[in-house]
Amino acid sequence: DADVTQTPRNRITKTGKRIMLECSQTKGHDRMYWYRQDPGLGLRLIYYSFDVKDINKGEISDGYSVSRQAQAKFSLSLESAIPNQTALYFCATSDIRNTGELFFGEGSRLTVL
Amino acid sequence: AQSVTQLGSHVSVSEGALVLLRCNYSSSVPPYLFWYVQYPNQGLQLLLKYTSAATLVKGINGFEAEFKKSETSFHLTKPSAHMSDAAEYFCAVSYFGNEKLTFGTGTRLTIIP
Repeated sequence: DADVTQTPRNRITKTGKRIMLECSQTKGHDRMYWYRQDPGLGLRLIYYSFDVKDINKGEISDGYSVSRQAQAKFSLSLESAIPNQTALYFCATSDIRNTGELFFGEGSRLTVL
Repeated sequence: AQSVTQLGSHVSVSEGALVLLRCNYSSSVPPYLFWYVQYPNQGLQLLLKYTSAATLVKGINGFEAEFKKSETSFHLTKPSAHMSDAAEYFCAVSYFGNEKLTFGTGTRLTIIP
């Protein structure tokens, strides 16, 4: 089984719908992240959490919210999805003892029509 | 603020030829530097990382990168390309005290048979 698991892997939805992407990890890491990947733009940080009580905005947090339900679970929500949120979303974890090295899930492809 | 610039969004090389993917960084403090690879329909996995030890870093699958402070570069090389190297490659930077990775926009590597 993967160390970082994302669900769903693929989702097609309509404008205005609420969407939740879930991430769970078995690596025992305290730090969790949500990134968005768009062609030609690389990966951009949406939100990150350094522990259960610590939630921080990244560079593109508008239109998104997160919840850290437990050390191992970090979910990303789109309260009212819009077409320009169509992207590939990645959850990642890191260990506080490392240098920022990230461990990624396999991604959740979201299409907003 | 830290950033990385990857020169060339697409690189094509012949099988058996040298692979050179370019990355330049901007950081006001000593950086940590990373190369990640993304195969089709997969998440990102770490190829190699520089964390202020040896300037020549060897990674998986025969890749290596050299940290050159004078040139603010961290180019990725492989002496002989293999068909299985076809993927997208991302350079990323962080630094001590701010271990959130900032990614470049990626370079898609195509191998010509």
